[in-house]
Amino acid sequence: DTGVSQDPRHKITKRGQNVTFRCDPISEHNRLYWYRQTLGQGPEFLTYFQNEAQLEKSRLLSDRFSAERPKGSFSTLEIQRTEQGDSAMYLCASSPSGGTSYEQYFGPGTRLTVT
Amino acid sequence: GNSVTQMEGPVTLSEEAFLTINCTYTATGYPSLFWYVQYPGEGLQLLLKATKADDKGSNKGFEATYRKETTSFHLEKGSVQVSDSAVYFCALSARSNYQLIWGAGTKLIIKP
Repeated sequence: DTGVSQDPRHKITKRGQNVTFRCDPISEHNRLYWYRQTLGQGPEFLTYFQNEAQLEKSRLLSDRFSAERPKGSFSTLEIQRTEQGDSAMYLCASSPSGGTSYEQYFGPGTRLTVT
Repeated sequence: GNSVTQMEGPVTLSEEAFLTINCTYTATGYPSLFWYVQYPGEGLQLLLKATKADDKGSNKGFEATYRKETTSFHLEKGSVQVSDSAVYFCALSARSNYQLIWGAGTKLIIKP
């Protein structure tokens, strides 16, 4: 049984560059979520998908952030024109549809450092 | 709006001590409540959950009871170990939009 995987685990980039992160959810999960976590804080919700549909994106931090899940399986999060304030851990989670508990299962995260 | 408040850390205890980490919440309706744990260098792991009032979630010796009257979900463990050292997050799901709302986390340090 494989859990949620994220790639890369670490990314160092220069200010102004674009970066893209990938998330592969647990295979039978059709909901996928992106969060951002900064040091000493809880995760901050960014967006989520049910299958390929992006059902909530108003929390994306700016128009430099975008996410896709083209075939309802893996997802990508892109940050354009990175800024130093984008340095954080980017977390992906997935959950099954249905059920009543609403728990989410997290990947190891991608740590972004913008220099 | 929905929110979660946790006791500030770090919390430092000796091995075999009793642990309580307080968590209170504000939410409309009947949220699901969770405790997640983050070990150093690792991702968030679901520790336990409760979906309705008076439910008790338990796992690995940790317990938390969903108290609607006090809007609380305090985490407890009777005898902590050095391996329990981690950051613990309380979270809720308001169900209507599926996102998890998080507390700031409580760092737990257990000394041998």
